[in-house]
Amino acid sequence: GAVVSQHPSRVICKSGTSVKIECRSLDFQATTMFWYRQFPKKSLMLMATSNEGSKATYEQGVEKDKFLINHASLTLSTLTVTSAHPEDSSFYICSAAQWGMRGEQYFGPGTRLTVT
Amino acid sequence: SQQGEEDPQALSIQEGENATMNCSYKTSINNLQWYRQNSGRGLVHLILIRSNEREKHSGRLRVTLDTSKKSSSLLITASRAADTASYFCATAERRGQGAQKLVFGQGTRLTINP
Repeated sequence: GAVVSQHPSRVICKSGTSVKIECRSLDFQATTMFWYRQFPKKSLMLMATSNEGSKATYEQGVEKDKFLINHASLTLSTLTVTSAHPEDSSFYICSAAQWGMRGEQYFGPGTRLTVT
Repeated sequence: SQQGEEDPQALSIQEGENATMNCSYKTSINNLQWYRQNSGRGLVHLILIRSNEREKHSGRLRVTLDTSKKSSSLLITASRAADTASYFCATAERRGQGAQKLVFGQGTRLTINP
């Protein structure tokens, strides 16, 4: 149980375009989803927290107009990187949690974004 | 701010040996969790230890927590080549009701040599 999927697993896009990444909880209802960014051989940096049906809470230094997060249902959150630039190239990972899951988060497999 | 600093940053041992990784943090925590990440993949939750616990076991894993020193250790016994991965500790601060924000350490890259 507690499986989280992400789509796509890899995406290459041109500078200036927008890219949408989906995060789905497959067998549980995720009241909260988190979006992280990870640079090569580095740790995960929390970008934002999204609760179903409400606006995402962004961490300091993360541009909310650039990284649009929508958590429209209890099983789906999307991250849209708008007007992507090469410096947005990174590994994006989502996690999902449910109230009452004893504080555990379940992570998706990640999405490798390359902006050319 | 980042907390959950780990050492060593990289560890290379022979198969069958034990691997110990340490994590230090700076603030009060609700719990501390250890995760594993294979190269280019997502994270796998290994073990969670609460602030009122001192030691926890899961299979070949043993985690200790010393809240007075704000540190934790992860011991992997009888290591296998398949244990090669990066290991991260993450501290949890409670945000009102609901899921907890995790702050990750920099990770330890563990290599098990056959």
